[in-house]
Amino acid sequence: DAKTTQPPSMDCAEGRAANLPCNHSTISGNEYVYWYRQIHSQGPQYIIHGLKNNETNEMASLIITEDRKSSTLILPHATLRDTAVYYCIVRVVGAGNNRKLIWGLGTSLAVNP
Amino acid sequence: NAGVTQTPKFRILKIGQSMTLQCTQDMNHNYMYWYRQDPGMGLKLIYYSVGAGITDKGEVPNGYNVSRSTTEDFPLRLELAAPSQTSVYFCASSPGRSNEKLFFGSGTQLSVL
Repeated sequence: DAKTTQPPSMDCAEGRAANLPCNHSTISGNEYVYWYRQIHSQGPQYIIHGLKNNETNEMASLIITEDRKSSTLILPHATLRDTAVYYCIVRVVGAGNNRKLIWGLGTSLAVNP
Repeated sequence: NAGVTQTPKFRILKIGQSMTLQCTQDMNHNYMYWYRQDPGMGLKLIYYSVGAGITDKGEVPNGYNVSRSTTEDFPLRLELAAPSQTSVYFCASSPGRSNEKLFFGSGTQLSVL
């Protein structure tokens, strides 16, 4: 089962910041948070990941709360091409030190003109 | 670079037929994965491989087989197709053990009728 909870859908106006929340209250100390997105019918695309510090790259920023129980993905200036399903994923460490991504249902983000 | 290439893009099978979904990557990645995605759902891991000659089961391996004879190729075999295997299949690769930045193919849409 997924270790994350996300709202099923969100809307955002083009040019505004999109803030996508994620709850991962049962996350363990060595488990990373990953974000991917999936544009309709395409393969998922990596966005960003982090452990406990805030992270930023050319696509987005990731803000992780101090207790690590939740995080927010920020798209600073959303465009129509950012319309997609956004997945917040916890990377778990299983038997044999195997690391696996557990995918949930994601948030369907609609960027409106 | 082509990245991760999957073939075919679409396929219809009759119940009981067999087929192989092809996946090849040109990034020299050690790790490769097969996922399935049912409508409106997140991705479920079928099988993965940490290098040539090494494969392991994921969350939903029943009804599938894989092999990894080379670094580049990771085919997925369906021996006796069933309607429950109707899904979109994604192949992915990643550079290494602690790096879950996955690169995905464009997917194979499979229908079993």
